Formats: sequence, C-alpha cells, structure tokens
Amino acid sequence: QKEVEQNSGPLSVPEGAIASLNCTYSDRGSQSFFWYRQYSGKSPELIMSIYSNGDKEDGRFTAQLNKASQYVSLLIRDSQPSDSATYLCAVKRAKANNLFFGTGTRLTVIP
Amino acid sequence: EPEVTQTPSHQVTQMGQEVILRCVPISNHLYFYWYRQILGQKVEFLVSFYNNEISEKSEIFDDQFSVERPDGSNFTLKIRSTKLEDSAMYFCASSGIGTPSGANVLTFGAGSRLTVL
Repeated sequence: QKEVEQNSGPLSVPEGAIASLNCTYSDRGSQSFFWYRQYSGKSPELIMSIYSNGDKEDGRFTAQLNKASQYVSLLIRDSQPSDSATYLCAVKRAKANNLFFGTGTRLTVIP
Repeated sequence: EPEVTQTPSHQVTQMGQEVILRCVPISNHLYFYWYRQILGQKVEFLVSFYNNEISEKSEIFDDQFSVERPDGSNFTLKIRSTKLEDSAMYFCASSGIGTPSGANVLTFGAGSRLTVL
C-alpha cells in the first residue's frame, strides 16, 4: 500500500469552476498534511497546511481533512489558468520530520 | 522572502564520477533535507539532517550518498560514483521548529538537475 495516494488525473476544469483534488494516506498516526503546487520544471511550492479535522480556507483554496477516513482534499474555487500545475499531497507521519509525497494530480484550467 | 539556494542548477556528469550538490538553507532553519524527483515521477525523500547528524534516511540513500554541513551555511549532498539511474532533479529543503499548532513547514530550493551520461 502506498504511503500517499492521489487521483492521478489529469484533471481539466473550465476557468471559474471549482477544482477538487483528493488524497488518501496509509499511516493512521500521521499528524500533518500539506498541499504543494509544482509547475513544470520547478520546485514544490506550499499552498496549504492542515493539522486538524475539518476545513481550512485561504483565499480561493480550501483544504479538508478527515483523519478517521485518512483523507485530505483541496478545493480551488474560481479556477484560473495560472492554477494549471501539478498538485502534490504531502503527509508527515508521526515520529518523523520528513514528508511523504503522492504522485501528484495534474490540473489544467481551460480559459 | 527567505529562500533556499541550490547550486548548480544543472550538472552533467559521466557515469562513475563523483558529484557534489550544494544548498544554502534558510538561515534560522534547523532541519535540512534532500529529496529527488526522477522525471515524471513523484518527489522522493532521501535524507534529513538535524543537529549535525542524519536524523532519517530512506532506502534510496545508500552508501553512495553522503551529506555534510561543512560550515554554518552550506549543506551538501555527495554522490560518490554516479549511475545512470541517479539522473533526477535534486531538491534541498529546510524547515524551522514546529509551532504549537502544527508541524514545521518545508521550504524547497529551486533544485539541481543532475544528468548522468
């Protein structure tokens, strides 16, 4: 079983729509969860972190965490062409400082 | 905004040669990491470093790899005898101490692309 799994996509949405990205993780003891954005050929860039069950909103981005279901999601409202990138889910397990990354979901926002 | 700096941005080497990738983490950060990303694949953890020693390493980080913090600012990754499959983008990252609300957040450098011929 993979540490972190994401729907591999690719995902295409029209400009202005909501993009929904999903992630599941295997280690029930995981404590911290992150969404990174990666443009082609660039390094991962942090978008959101979430540590508690529920929703966390930051501008057009909302992260959702459900530890009982071992599920994390990212919603992007009013999607823009500049949001086109690969979105990486990353999980920090208990008693570890490093992050485990999923394979990423490639998002394309169509103008 | 503070950033993690990596050099070189791109290195081409022959199989069997030694390579050193360099990183300058954010100055007040205490944890340092190396990750790699083979083209088209996921970001993979190699090693973490804290208090001048390795704190964690993955199965990828075998005897061919080593890390060092030779002075107060640089953090290096050495690959002793490169193989074709070492061709990848290598990312350095650093983080501070976690906050009461959550874990320390990793900030990544721009990466060093290694091509082994």
